[in-house]
Amino acid sequence: GQNIDQPTEMTATEGAIVQINCTYQTSGFNGLFWYQQHAGEAPTFLSYNVLDGLEEKGRFSSFLSRSKGYSYLLLKELQMKDSASYLCAVMDSNYQLIWGAGTKLIIKP
Amino acid sequence: TAGITQAPTSQILAAGRSMTLRCTQDMRHNAMYWYRQDLGLGLRLIHYSNTAGTTGKGEVPDGYSVSRANTDDFPLTLASAVPSQTSVYFCASSDTADNEQFFGPGTRLTVL
Repeated sequence: GQNIDQPTEMTATEGAIVQINCTYQTSGFNGLFWYQQHAGEAPTFLSYNVLDGLEEKGRFSSFLSRSKGYSYLLLKELQMKDSASYLCAVMDSNYQLIWGAGTKLIIKP
Repeated sequence: TAGITQAPTSQILAAGRSMTLRCTQDMRHNAMYWYRQDLGLGLRLIHYSNTAGTTGKGEVPDGYSVSRANTDDFPLTLASAVPSQTSVYFCASSDTADNEQFFGPGTRLTVL
């Protein structure tokens, strides 16, 4: 079966750095996406990785290792507005997204 | 631009009744999707359409039907609602099937 695993909840301090991990087992691989979802709102796109390595975009970076079936999202200089759920999703061989349940990130002042 | 819109925002529906959730995008995207999101679970794909005139079944299609008569609209119909269909429904679109997806604001549906 297809499976995406990520921690249910994480807590971090404003101004700090946090790493959210995602491991996956899917039928084929056509890229890994990270989305941000604030409570009661729609998911919004953060990053896309299809090759191994680190992609940096401002305060957010995403890493992929296809051989390990592993990705992480790194958030630097945390702000209170970063309090949200972070969703990991893998595009399978049918170009359908398989979604993790999301990691709820709580930022404390 | 509006992007992608959904209607209604929320709805309470009696079991056994039918309902159509509306979704419209103005980005001229080829692909559109319907997901449901339930607490503790990832988004689950109900139906999708890679281009106008074609549709396909996702992970949880039973009890739902869709149509794609044109590029912009992708309605989702529940023929006879059941309480297990209580969920938040998100419509999404992408330029092509392998691109990032843009999501509508969601419809919160409660079936009693």
